[in-house]
Amino acid sequence: GQQLNQSPQSMFIQEGEDVSMNCTSSSIFNTWLWYKQDPGEGPVLLIALYKAGELTSNGRLTAQFGITRKDSFLNISASIPSDVGIYFCAGRPSYGGSQGNLIFGKGTKLSVKP
Amino acid sequence: NAGVTQTPKFQVLKTGQSMTLQCAQDMNHNSMYWYRQDPGMGLRLIYYSASEGTTDKGEVPNGYNVSRLNKREFSLRLESAAPSQTSVYFCASSEAFPPGGNSPLHFGNGTRLTVT
Repeated sequence: GQQLNQSPQSMFIQEGEDVSMNCTSSSIFNTWLWYKQDPGEGPVLLIALYKAGELTSNGRLTAQFGITRKDSFLNISASIPSDVGIYFCAGRPSYGGSQGNLIFGKGTKLSVKP
Repeated sequence: NAGVTQTPKFQVLKTGQSMTLQCAQDMNHNSMYWYRQDPGMGLRLIYYSASEGTTDKGEVPNGYNVSRLNKREFSLRLESAAPSQTSVYFCASSEAFPPGGNSPLHFGNGTRLTVT
């Protein structure tokens, strides 16, 4: 089935640093979403994107819907300790192969630098 | 506000045993979903119910059955558990189908299942 390639798989952050992650697909998507999962909890929606080139912010988080419609990016500015967790991209392919359901990336795990 | 409630939180089964994972939502949502989360694999859809009275297979339905008992409740059954079904299972709901930014998925806190 359709897969999303999310990178990096993991990264360490130091308080105050900016963080970037991205998600790519082999086919065109018409919706991109970014979720965050805290330990022991389910994912929570952070940002939703609907149009190619769209740039949307939610506090220190900014996400972009790639121009090619095959990728999306998430940036976190001035990271703080509570940013740790797993970030998932999710999207809906325009060809309809997922029956309308979302396809999730494998996640980017953010941890604090030791 | 409870949101999406899953029971149990933890479960250990022996190979071949059966069990049902329960899920209930109190947000009057029309659509409900079961996902499994495995390390390095992200979230994969097992089954979903776009509306009360309907259920459909997702990406990885083999070995599972579901029941949309009513608008609030959507259960997942493992008839004969296998070690490959060791995973964290998440139930989710959305106001409408398909899920997205306007009808976001609301997840429960998961059931951690180990099959030995």
